[in-house]
Formats: sequence, C-alpha cells, structure tokens
Amino acid sequence: DAGVIQSPRHEVTEMGQEVTLRCKPISGHNSLFWYRQTMMRGLELLIYFNNNVPIDDSGMPEDRFSAKMPNASFSTLKIQPSEPRDSAVYFCASRGTGANYGYTFGSGTRLTVV
Amino acid sequence: SQQGEEDPQALSIQEGENATMNCSYKTSINNLQWYRQNSGRGLVHLILIRSNEREKHSGRLRVTLDTSKKSSSLLITASRAADTASYFCATQGGTSGSRLTFGEGTQLTVNP
Repeated sequence: DAGVIQSPRHEVTEMGQEVTLRCKPISGHNSLFWYRQTMMRGLELLIYFNNNVPIDDSGMPEDRFSAKMPNASFSTLKIQPSEPRDSAVYFCASRGTGANYGYTFGSGTRLTVV
Repeated sequence: SQQGEEDPQALSIQEGENATMNCSYKTSINNLQWYRQNSGRGLVHLILIRSNEREKHSGRLRVTLDTSKKSSSLLITASRAADTASYFCATQGGTSGSRLTFGEGTQLTVNP
C-alpha cells in the first residue's frame, strides 16, 4: 500500500495565481480530510468528506478555497486567487470505516505564495 | 480552535530516559489519539485510546486517559535518538463527529 499520496510536494506560486493541490487516499478508506499546518495556528481542519460527500467545510478560510472529491480515489483543494498568507503545509488524510480508527496522513504539500 | 493543549511545549532528554507528554482537552470525546511528526514529514498515527479505556500499551508507548480530568499522557520508555519528533494528541467524537482536532504538540529531543 503506497499510503496517502499528495502532489505536488512543493509549490511556489505568485500572489493571485490559482493553486491546485491533489490527494489520492488509501483504497477502501471512505473518509478524507484536508488539514493546513502553520507555525502560528498549528493543524487546522479545512474540510472533510465521507463517501465523497463534503460533510464539514466550516474550516475553509474563505471563498477563495474550494475542495472537491469527484470519486473515492481523488480529491483536490484549490485556492484562487492565492495570497501570501495561504503559505503553509497542506496535508491530506484518509480513514477507514468505523469510529475508532486512526488517520493516515500524506506527506503534505508545502505551499509558498510570494 | 484547538481542542487539545499539550504540556510541555518542548522536552529535551538523554537517550535511555523516559519521556512523558501530557494533553488536556475540553469537550466530551469518543477517543483520543497520539501522532508523531518528524521534521518536514506527515503525521504518523501511534496509538488510539477509546473513552472507556484507561490505559493502553504499544511497544515502548504507554497512553493513559482520565476522562474525569479530560487529560491524557503519553509515555515513551527507554527513549532513542530516533524518537526525536513532534508529538500531537488529537481528539475525536463527542460534538465534533468524525473530525479530529489536534493539540499544539510537544517537541521532543532525545540527545544521544
């Protein structure tokens, strides 16, 4: 099992550009989560999906952020337009069925907006 | 807002010593989990303890949970330099449903 796969690993973009982060969860996992990690705010949940349906997007900072999960094996997090304060490490995680399972995290995408 | 608060923020010990990290939380939970994060890497799940459990072991790890005090501790025995990492507690359940809410983490440094 290759684990949760995120791409790209690093992204440097100019302010105002669109950024798309990608995630492939573990096959068979039915929950997918997007987190953002910064020194100032720690790990923040942005949005999560159950069975490809967005359940809680209350953590999405503003309308510039959007996330989709068109099928069970792929999700995207898009920022348009990007701003310097969006610079962070973005993690995707997935989890299998059942209430008492740990999450499997991807290696993250380090986003720098200049 | 962060559910968990961890103590200490940073811990430095010698190889072979035990390391204890504490976590407090605010609301009811279904389970509490501990994760490790090496510098520049993703989080790795270490251990999960359910709300009806008081203690759990996994190798050199021992986790306790006191729901009356809304606190948990992670003990790493006979620490190794490779244990150097950030350790996070995270709570799940109660009013937060499936979402996992993380604490701020403890940076553990094990000196060889």
